[in-house]
Amino acid sequence: DGGITQSPKYLFRKEGQNVTLSCEQNLNHDAMYWYRQDPGQGLRLIYYSQIVNDFQKGDIAEGYSVSREKKESFPLTVTSAQKNPTAFYLCASMGQGAFKVLGATNEKLFFGSGTQLSVL
Amino acid sequence: AQSVTQLDSHVSVSEGTPVLLRCNYSSSYSPSLFWYVQHPNKGLQLLLKYTSAATLVKGINGFEAEFKKSETSFHLTKPSAHMSDAAEYFCVVSDAGGTSYGKLTFGQGTILTVHP
Repeated sequence: DGGITQSPKYLFRKEGQNVTLSCEQNLNHDAMYWYRQDPGQGLRLIYYSQIVNDFQKGDIAEGYSVSREKKESFPLTVTSAQKNPTAFYLCASMGQGAFKVLGATNEKLFFGSGTQLSVL
Repeated sequence: AQSVTQLDSHVSVSEGTPVLLRCNYSSSYSPSLFWYVQHPNKGLQLLLKYTSAATLVKGINGFEAEFKKSETSFHLTKPSAHMSDAAEYFCVVSDAGGTSYGKLTFGQGTILTVHP
C-alpha cells in the first residue's frame, strides 16, 4: 500500500547533537513538507519541497536543515542550533488522493505518523 | 504572505446542536483552503477542501464550509454535533492553485468539546 513512512517513532537528542528524522513516501508525490506540532500552536511549517533538488524555508526553519535528493525522500535534520527541539514532527506530501469533495479537485495532503523528539 | 487565524481556541457545544468553527485567512493569491481534524492519538484527516470551484464545500461526517472572499473567511459548520466530533480542528491555506503545490499554512487549531 502507498503511504508515508516516518522513522523513528521516538527519538532522543543529547545536547549539542544533530539528529535526522526520516520521511519516505511511495506515492510518487512531488511536494513534501515538514511540520512541527507544539501544544496550542497548531502545525508550523519548517521546510517544504515542491520538486526534487529544490526546497524552501517555512516559518520556523532556523535550527533545521533538509535535503531532497530523491523524490521519495525528504529527511529533516534537527541541528544543535535548534534550542527547543522537543516537539512532535510531522512529514506530509501532496498529490492525487482518493478523497473526493464536491466541486473540488482530487488533491490531498497525506501525513506520516510522526516522530516525537525529546531532549535528554 | 499568507496566514490563517482560527478565531476560537476552544468551542463547546451540546450533542445535537449546531457547530461553528471560525477561520479567517489572508493570501496574496487565489487560495486553496482545507479543514483537517485530529482525534486524540490519531493522525490528521482531511474533512474538506476548497479550490476555487463551488463556494459551499461539503465534506465527510456532515461537515461543510463556505468560502466567502469578501470576508476572507472559511468557517466550518455542522447542523448537529455528535459525541464523536470531539477533536481538534485545523484550518489550512495554500497559496498555490491548480496543480502546483505551494506553501501550506496551518491555523492554531480549535478544540471542539461535545457535551451529552
